[in-house]
Amino acid sequence: EPEVTQTPSHQVTQMGQEVILRCVPISNHLYFYWYRQILGQKVEFLVSFYNNEISEKSEIFDDQFSVERPDGSNFTLKIRSTKLEDSAMYFCASSDSGLDNQPQHFGDGTRLSIL
Amino acid sequence: DAKTTQPNSMESNEEEPVHLPCNHSTISGTDYIHWYRQLPSQGPEYVIHGLTSNVNNRMASLAIAEDRKSSTLILHRATLRDAAVYYCILRGSGGGADGLTFGKGTHLIIQP
Repeated sequence: EPEVTQTPSHQVTQMGQEVILRCVPISNHLYFYWYRQILGQKVEFLVSFYNNEISEKSEIFDDQFSVERPDGSNFTLKIRSTKLEDSAMYFCASSDSGLDNQPQHFGDGTRLSIL
Repeated sequence: DAKTTQPNSMESNEEEPVHLPCNHSTISGTDYIHWYRQLPSQGPEYVIHGLTSNVNNRMASLAIAEDRKSSTLILHRATLRDAAVYYCILRGSGGGADGLTFGKGTHLIIQP
């Protein structure tokens, strides 16, 4: 069964550094998402992306964050200048349409640790 | 988004059925009811969804109340692998690439 893959599984970065988290969505999917989950807390939506542009973003997704689909297969989340509070699990998801009756398929996440 | 209410935790025995309730009294007519689960150290996983009628798939069944103000996820024969946090989520804010709104979910504990 096709799946969403994320790399790396664990990223350790110094505060203030830039970090790029990578995702390979399911190949025929058109909608892509990033979520984060701070340890012990809820999964929170960050951003959705369709047709090479952001469709929706949450309040968390400020100017420090950006997303890109640099080629036909990868979807990336960049945090420009990391803060301690950016430490979390980051999950990528994809769906074949944005319809409300379509599921989103998640990867197993990247654990980001900011020192 | 309409709000859902779930018990914080439930416990069941292996090989027995499990009924996970969800209340969504402010659901609108176009909201789909989705269920996801999150196993330890993994990303959320889609389980099932429905609109008005009960639904079955290989993972679970979804029973939707006639007034749609509540629903129940049914695991017919729980295994240890079903121990996870289960999330009931409504989707229907007008379509497009809306993000899912996760609550705290129900932590399902399966006893051997």
